Amino acid sequence: AQSVTQLDSHVSVSEGTPVLLRCNYSSSYSPSLFWYVQHPNKGLQLLLKYTSAATLVKGINGFEAEFKKSETSFHLTKPSAHMSDAAEYFCVVGGAGNNRKLIWGLGTSLAVNP
Amino acid sequence: DAGVIQSPRHEVTEMGQEVTLRCKPISGHNSLFWYRQTMMRGLELLIYFNNNVPIDDSGMPEDRFSAKMPNASFSTLKIQPSEPRDSAVYFCASRTDGPQTFGSGTRLTVV
Repeated sequence: AQSVTQLDSHVSVSEGTPVLLRCNYSSSYSPSLFWYVQHPNKGLQLLLKYTSAATLVKGINGFEAEFKKSETSFHLTKPSAHMSDAAEYFCVVGGAGNNRKLIWGLGTSLAVNP
Repeated sequence: DAGVIQSPRHEVTEMGQEVTLRCKPISGHNSLFWYRQTMMRGLELLIYFNNNVPIDDSGMPEDRFSAKMPNASFSTLKIQPSEPRDSAVYFCASRTDGPQTFGSGTRLTVV
């Protein structure tokens, strides 16, 4: 069985400071992992994905995430937050083989203060 | 590519009425997903299709909800009769081997 846990429901940072959104997963096989972002009143947009290639994954808008198998983590980071980064972020673990179902975290709301 | 297209963008309806939400997946994608998002429950998978066949509908909340995919380029989610607690944003997504691509959603308000 697969599961995903986002460790913080809300994160608040100041503009220009680093962002860390934490995600732990559970999977009985090598997972596919994703981060999605949802801006207020908007749809869901893929930020980045890990699919068993390089463990450090770079995404859009300066975000990146590192897959750490020993820690079963896939934390999302960004060196310097922008006001436009304020949004809801979802960590997602993907089904393997013919199981197309994604398992979604509950989301982390990121606030960026001026 | 036009992406996943959902219609309507907004729907306001009276309790008891039938509501039909529509989705056109990305051409060539063979999996389609319907999600519901609310403040209270977050993002919930309702049902997904592979090659037009429903695979997992365990997330469909009640018999009032039904979904069809008559062909590879079209799917509907129907609620009959609608209730105020069905008010939510409904997302459609599609994929093949890569990650899911989402539509812009339909914001449903049942009054």
